[in-house]
Amino acid sequence: DQQVKQNSPSLSVQEGRISILNCDYTNSMFDYFLWYKKYPAEGPTFLISISSIKDKNEDGRFTVFLNKSAKHLSLHIVPSQPGDSAVYFCAASDRGGTSYGKLTFGQGTILTVHP
Amino acid sequence: ETGVTQSPTHLIKTRGQQVTLRCSSQSGHNTVSWYQQALGQGPQFIFQYYREEENGRGNFPPRFSGLQFPNYSSELNVNALELDDSALYLCASSLQGSSYGYTFGSGTRLTVV
Repeated sequence: DQQVKQNSPSLSVQEGRISILNCDYTNSMFDYFLWYKKYPAEGPTFLISISSIKDKNEDGRFTVFLNKSAKHLSLHIVPSQPGDSAVYFCAASDRGGTSYGKLTFGQGTILTVHP
Repeated sequence: ETGVTQSPTHLIKTRGQQVTLRCSSQSGHNTVSWYQQALGQGPQFIFQYYREEENGRGNFPPRFSGLQFPNYSSELNVNALELDDSALYLCASSLQGSSYGYTFGSGTRLTVV
């Protein structure tokens, strides 16, 4: 039962353009969402998060949008840079649940930004 | 401020053997979570430890067990290894009750042959 899905295994973008990574979830109890970036041979690093009471959160070049009715979130990177090339994971948490600290991850999207 | 360190970085074991993976949490963090990341998949929650007790568990069999020590470091033990246990095992530390502010280690790559 894949509760968090990233349906695009990969995305290729030109430097300077916008990268849009998508994520869908099925569990309506999820109330906190996060994006992580992972380089090879490193652990995931936290990028940006959003609470379910918001529909947008921005941090520099990174913006996360949440559409609760559609159970969909997206990460926008503008402008994209070659150093952004990595695997991006969407994750969700049910902070009111019994496993408060548990994150449920999507399968990841490989982003490649070409110079 | 030190980050999360995991050891060893790589490990090869034979099916049926037992393995212990280690994790030192980030300074100031009191909670450790373990995740398994199979090839081409996202990390899957194994369990979390807080105050030396298991504080939440994912869908993993009992042969996956853990420990947390008074200094908040942690071990993941896997008994009776199976080929499907081959994966990257990630440790993450955080402050109790927080699903944000996770700091991940670089992981231990376990290969079962």
